[in-house]
Amino acid sequence: DIQLTQSPSSLSAFVGDTVTITCRASQSIGTYLHWYQLKPGKAPKVLIYGASGFLREVPSRFSGSGSGTEFTLTISGLQPDDFATYYCQHTYRTPPWTFGQGTKVEVK
Amino acid sequence: EVQLVESGGGLVQPGGSLTLSCAASGLSVRSSYMNWVRQAPGKGLEWVSVIYPNGDTHSADSVKGRFTISRLSAQNKVRFQMNSLGTDDTAVYFCTAIIAGADHYYSLDVWGQGTTVTVSS
Repeated sequence: DIQLTQSPSSLSAFVGDTVTITCRASQSIGTYLHWYQLKPGKAPKVLIYGASGFLREVPSRFSGSGSGTEFTLTISGLQPDDFATYYCQHTYRTPPWTFGQGTKVEVK
Repeated sequence: EVQLVESGGGLVQPGGSLTLSCAASGLSVRSSYMNWVRQAPGKGLEWVSVIYPNGDTHSADSVKGRFTISRLSAQNKVRFQMNSLGTDDTAVYFCTAIIAGADHYYSLDVWGQGTTVTVSS
C-alpha cells in the first residue's frame, strides 16, 4: 500500500502569512494527489485535484504543485476562514486510496 | 445541485451490525465511483471503501471481510453494511463521490455531511 506522509503535522501562522504543507508518497503516484480542507462538524472539501488542478469555487490563494513522490499545498495570504486541517490523498491505481495524517493550521 | 445525504448511524454494541445509506441527488451512483471515508474521534481521515461504476469494490484492510458496499441503482443510493463492529469503528462516516468523466484524477469531489457511528457497550 502507498503511504502518504504530511509535514508539518501542525503549524501556527498569522493572517496574511504564506504557508506551505508537504506531502510525500512512499512510491511514485504521478499526479494522482489531491488536497482537502476539513473543519470541525463540516464535510471535507476538495481544494486541489491532480496535484495542481484548480477548482473555480476554491479561492485562488490555494495552489498545489508536485509530481511523483513530493507535493506541496501553498496558501498565499492566509485568511481567517483558512484555519482548519488539511489532508492529502492519493487515488493512484488500485485502492486503498490513503490519506496523509493531516496538517492542522492554527492562528498564531 | 449535487448532494449526498447519509443516514443510518447510531449506537451499536460491539460485535453488532449497522447499515448506512447514502442518498444521491444531482449525480448517478451507477456512473460514479462511490466511496466511504471515516474520521474517528481525534483522528484523521481514513479511506474505507469504494464501488466502481462497473460494480467492482475495494476496501481497506481494516474493514475487509466485515464491511460491504453496494448500490441500489433504482433508488440512486449506496448501501454500507457493517458487521462485527468494534470500538475502533467508532467514527463519523462520510459518503463521497468521484464524478466519472470529471477528469479530476479521481478526486473526491462531492461529500455528504456524515453520519456518526458509535460502537459501545
